[in-house]
Amino acid sequence: EVQLAESGGGLVQPGGSLKLSCAASGFTFSGSAVHWVRQASGKGLEWVGRIRSKTNNYATAYAASVKGRFTISRDDSKNTAYLQMNSLKTEDTAVYYCTRVYGDQPPFDYWGQGTLVTVSS
Amino acid sequence: SYELTQPPSVSVSPGQTARITCSGDALPKNYAYWYQQKSGQAPVLVIYEDSNRPSGIPERFSGSTSGTMATLTITGAQVEDEADYYCYSTDSSGGVFGGGTKLTVL
Repeated sequence: EVQLAESGGGLVQPGGSLKLSCAASGFTFSGSAVHWVRQASGKGLEWVGRIRSKTNNYATAYAASVKGRFTISRDDSKNTAYLQMNSLKTEDTAVYYCTRVYGDQPPFDYWGQGTLVTVSS
Repeated sequence: SYELTQPPSVSVSPGQTARITCSGDALPKNYAYWYQQKSGQAPVLVIYEDSNRPSGIPERFSGSTSGTMATLTITGAQVEDEADYYCYSTDSSGGVFGGGTKLTVL
């Protein structure tokens, strides 16, 4: 069974940092791309960024709103992807989801349950 | 930056056809995907590559594109289809979601 599970959310002050994890199981993680998507309360989905597989040189891409502040990485030996968030702003407050693009499967066919990040003083 | 534009809301009666549009300049070159999100839940893929339906998604869901517009059609909408719907596509710099459309079926 394919599973994605985010962790690491919490309360952080503006200007602070937080690192989220996305633990995967039930498929060949190393062959997948991992995307992060966030959703502020009562708002729509926002694509945050992605990291591709080793075959695709671990290429990353980011939304303009987080570029230069957020970094996506992965550890294929642990079947885990990470979202390092620095210089956090109040507008980064949201539920953060990880999801996958895997082989010839449609993108974002499985999602985690999300982890809440609250940026507030 | 690239944008996808959706109507904020669509309302239909049960059994009617609901159409949700998604407009974007890059849609002629890039696929559109549609996701359904019910309150408090993670999104669910309902249409991929413009018009393909994943297994387990009811046949009443269909997708189409024409020029810079993609359309999600729910033929014979059911009360359980009431949800937020998001289109998604890509451009050279990454991915983008539409603003979402709240579908009301009542």
